[in-house]
Amino acid sequence: KAGVTQTPRYLIKTRGQQVTLSCSPISGHRSVSWYQQTPGQGLQFLFEYFSETQRNKGNFPGRFSGRQFSNSRSEMNVSTLELGDSALYLCASSLRNGRRGRAADTQYFGPGTRLTVL
Amino acid sequence: EDKVVQSPLSLVVHEGDTVTLNCSYEVTNFRSLLWYKQEKKAPTFLFMLTSSGIEKKSGRLSSILDKKELFSILNITATQTGDSAIYLCAVMDSNYQLIWGAGTKLIIKP
Repeated sequence: KAGVTQTPRYLIKTRGQQVTLSCSPISGHRSVSWYQQTPGQGLQFLFEYFSETQRNKGNFPGRFSGRQFSNSRSEMNVSTLELGDSALYLCASSLRNGRRGRAADTQYFGPGTRLTVL
Repeated sequence: EDKVVQSPLSLVVHEGDTVTLNCSYEVTNFRSLLWYKQEKKAPTFLFMLTSSGIEKKSGRLSSILDKKELFSILNITATQTGDSAIYLCAVMDSNYQLIWGAGTKLIIKP
């Protein structure tokens, strides 16, 4: 099975611009979670999408939004970029089929998108 | 507020040493605890634990969960330079949300 893919891998934007990141989960996985990772803050949860609905949300401002399509692919959008948005954005997919166990719960990460805001 | 605390935050040992990494948690509606290894890229999955006292083992790595005392440990024996990484612990709650620890940065010196 192909792993989680994210595009683009690297992105340079300027303050005030907006950006859209894409994540394709492992085939059959219905849940996609997004994380922001910075050296000082570690992994910060943004939101999770499951069956095209946002199920969980972290403590990020409304400039951060996302969506999920019927094929489980997900996009994340950041509007009005700020310098502090520079980070590695990771997405992770999981099966989340309601059963307990490794197959259901384990999140598998994509390679990330490195966003630099100048 | 749910939280996951890892200790130590960083650790430097010599090749061949054994290390123990700690993860304690306070999470309402615990579902499972996961360990990940992160080198210069995305985290890779190591273990998932749901039951107390059952050791999970993979080569030189092992992990165990204590749901009464609310902690888990990750052991690495006979460490190698390739074990140098950040080790992340996360707890999943009943809403499938992962609460992450800050990680332990492990450096193995040759």
